[in-house]
Amino acid sequence: GIQVEQSPPDLILQEGANSTLRCNFSDSVNNLQWFHQNPWGQLINLFYIPSGTKQNGRLSATTVATERYSLLYISSSQTTDSGVYFCAVERYGGATNKLIFGTGTLLAVQP
Amino acid sequence: GAVVSQHPSWVICKSGTSVKIECRSLDFQATTMFWYRQFPKQSLMLMATSNEGSKATYEQGVEKDKFLINHASLTLSTLTVTSAHPEDSSFYICSASARDNRFQPQHFGDGTRLSIL
Repeated sequence: GIQVEQSPPDLILQEGANSTLRCNFSDSVNNLQWFHQNPWGQLINLFYIPSGTKQNGRLSATTVATERYSLLYISSSQTTDSGVYFCAVERYGGATNKLIFGTGTLLAVQP
Repeated sequence: GAVVSQHPSWVICKSGTSVKIECRSLDFQATTMFWYRQFPKQSLMLMATSNEGSKATYEQGVEKDKFLINHASLTLSTLTVTSAHPEDSSFYICSASARDNRFQPQHFGDGTRLSIL
């Protein structure tokens, strides 16, 4: 099946710093989402981005589907950005689409 | 919009009991609901996919007789962990996808932490 690898696995930042998280996938996909899982376990949908670039405040994401990767940019990081970031890809197979989650990046933003 | 409610948030129970977790789409009709399991410091793994009015489709390695899934309406799916044991302790998360548009993203509930003593 399709493999989804994220890097780096862990990241420690000082508040105010910028960072780039990467998501590589092993086969063509129909869609890609980025999530933030906060310390309480809640999954927050950040971007639905099968291709191109999107921005939402301090966050932006770019997916280059032909090269099988996506990047999540976090600018001016805040302590509330801490948590785990997952990308998830979707391949259409039959009648139901499935999300396959990546390995995750654990981000800790220190004051 | 696109709110998914999951209950309960926390469950602690004795080994051998059965636990039911509910997943509701509050403001949209969900043709398909998904159940995931997440062990500590790991990623989310899809357990099963349920479509309203039909039997769930389980991923390889997931025991369908242990994890009973019912999707009786377009707004409710339930996961019952039967005869739970300590190794079933995990974080269970549901998601729902709106009908008739395969380009709609999945919307996730807040998860249920299950601890079996």
